[in-house]
Amino acid sequence: AQSVAQPEDQVNVAEGNPLTVKCTYSVSGNPYLFWYVQYPNRGLQFLLKYITGDNLVKGSYGFEAEFNKSQTSFHLKKPSALVSDSALYFCATGFQKLVFGTGTRLLVSP
Amino acid sequence: GAVVSQHPSRVICKSGTSVKIECRSLDFQATTMFWYRQFPKQSLMLMATSNEGSKATYEQGVEKDKFLINHASLTLSTLTVTSAHPEDSSFYICSARDPRGRGGRETQYFGPGTRLLVL
Repeated sequence: AQSVAQPEDQVNVAEGNPLTVKCTYSVSGNPYLFWYVQYPNRGLQFLLKYITGDNLVKGSYGFEAEFNKSQTSFHLKKPSALVSDSALYFCATGFQKLVFGTGTRLLVSP
Repeated sequence: GAVVSQHPSRVICKSGTSVKIECRSLDFQATTMFWYRQFPKQSLMLMATSNEGSKATYEQGVEKDKFLINHASLTLSTLTVTSAHPEDSSFYICSARDPRGRGGRETQYFGPGTRLLVL
């Protein structure tokens, strides 16, 4: 069965500092990996995906993620965090069916 | 990008009544839509896959007679929670794939969600 794990319930970072939100996957074959962001009482917004190709994927709002096959990871990163980045972030895998991680709450302090 | 809408955004109903939630793809046609449920401070769980013109495919443990799904057109899927009970209170989110979207054919785009509260 496919799964993703987000080991951190919450990540705290100061505005202007780099941020990393971790995700590891367990997928047979080539993984389809996604990052979504959810603001309070809202649906999910697509940030980026990895299917094939370059291991470094660039997405919306300055976010990027690095696919690491040897470590089975797909960590979300941003060089300089903004207070407005504070939200709930979900890693997911799948094509026909998306399987989500448990989510990581990112809190960016001014 | 692809836009998916849901209506209503919030609904409060009495126990025993039925509630219908609509999911629409606004600028694209979706042969397949997905319905998820999200409990407070938890992740999304896929409930069912809605297929235009055919029966929905339900995930294990989801009661198909309780959560009726109809996908009558290429832009509309509805989820009806029948005989709702307080334990059905949750955040329901739909999604659809738009092959023309920035994320490609593999990416699901999500609606804003419907919060259901059953008293």
